Amino acid sequence: EVQLVESGGGLVKPGGSLRLSCAASGLTFTKAWMTWVRQAPGKGLECVGRIKAKVHGGTTDYGAPVKGRFTISRDDSKDALYLEMSSLKIEDTAMYYCTTENMGGFDIWGQGTLVTVSS
Amino acid sequence: QSALTQPPSASGSPGQSVTISCTGTRSDVGGYNYVSWYQQHPGKAPKLMISEVSKRPSGVPDRFSGSKSGNTASLTVSGLQAEDEADYYCSSYTGSLYVFGTGTKVTVL
Repeated sequence: EVQLVESGGGLVKPGGSLRLSCAASGLTFTKAWMTWVRQAPGKGLECVGRIKAKVHGGTTDYGAPVKGRFTISRDDSKDALYLEMSSLKIEDTAMYYCTTENMGGFDIWGQGTLVTVSS
Repeated sequence: QSALTQPPSASGSPGQSVTISCTGTRSDVGGYNYVSWYQQHPGKAPKLMISEVSKRPSGVPDRFSGSKSGNTASLTVSGLQAEDEADYYCSSYTGSLYVFGTGTKVTVL
């Protein structure tokens, strides 16, 4: 069964840092382009950023609201995706999903991990 | 990158059809055939319903169909069923990342 499982969410103070993880199984992770998508409470979906497969350069792209504060990385030996978040703001409060990008769509989604930024 | 524009709500009776629009620009919807649609039930992760404008992933009922004309994409749900009541989001490639739509709540009357 293809599965993505996020972890690492929690409560953090403004200005703090947090590291999210996404464990993949049932797919060829080394070939997967991985994206983090977030959803603030009661709001819509927003692309946080993406990392390409190493065979395609392994490069990253970030959305404007998080550029310079968030870093996406991957460990293909562990089938794992990471999102390092720093200088967190209240507006970063959201459910964070990892997802696979395939032919112009996001076809596999995890269940999400909730990040709450509050003092 | 601004969110794609969707109507906040749409509704229909069981068996009827509902169509949701998704309006962008030449830099996203109008420039690429990488438009996708997602269904999201409360408290659940989004589910891919349509990719590449009109392709249905395996397991998605053929009641769901997609199209595009210029800078506007559309999702049509035919033969509405109670389980179709959910939020729907479109998404488009922008040349680097993807942008999502504002979301449409579909109510089955």
